[in-house]
Amino acid sequence: AQSVTQLDSQVPVFEEAPVELRCNYSSSVSVYLFWYVQYPNQGLQLLLKYLSGSTLVKGINGFEAEFNKSQTSFHLRKPSVHISDTAEYFCAVSEAGSARQLTFGSGTQLTVLP
Amino acid sequence: KAGVTQTPRYLIKTRGQQVTLSCSPISGHRSVSWYQQTPGQGLQFLFEYFSETQRNKGNFPGRFSGRQFSNSRSEMNVSTLELGDSALYLCASSEDWGANVLTFGAGSRLTVL
Repeated sequence: AQSVTQLDSQVPVFEEAPVELRCNYSSSVSVYLFWYVQYPNQGLQLLLKYLSGSTLVKGINGFEAEFNKSQTSFHLRKPSVHISDTAEYFCAVSEAGSARQLTFGSGTQLTVLP
Repeated sequence: KAGVTQTPRYLIKTRGQQVTLSCSPISGHRSVSWYQQTPGQGLQFLFEYFSETQRNKGNFPGRFSGRQFSNSRSEMNVSTLELGDSALYLCASSEDWGANVLTFGAGSRLTVL
């Protein structure tokens, strides 16, 4: 079984500042890792994914994440945030190559302040 | 391409009733998964269907059930509703078994009174 911990439930940041949303996972097997974003009254939108290969993954809207196997982390970063980035962000893990059920973290509410 | 379509978007039921939610996957997607999202428990996996067969099931009571039709559309049913079933129910589809990228719909928000 896998588990995901998102260390910060809320992250306020000023517009154009950099941001890092932290995610740690636990698993006894190889995993795939994902970041999803949820805007109010909407479903989840995939930001980026790590399946294999390069540990630095680039996604949509200028976000990127780095897979660190030794630290079991998959932190999400953006060098300069916009007001429109205000949303809830979810880190998720699935067992690699088999069942695709995702285990989600509890989410991080990113609020970008003017 | 149209996205994942869930109906209804909002509904209100009373305790003891039953509810059926519908999900139309992206055209060509054959796998459909369902998730429950609540403030207390977060996002939890309900079940996954592929080729009309349930492939995986999360840790939910038997009151929660689902099915998938030959056109890949899926329904989930919750019987004998409880207050704690109030949630956003999200459907997601993907192209094939083993593919790990899910595309989510906007969800069906169920309120149980």
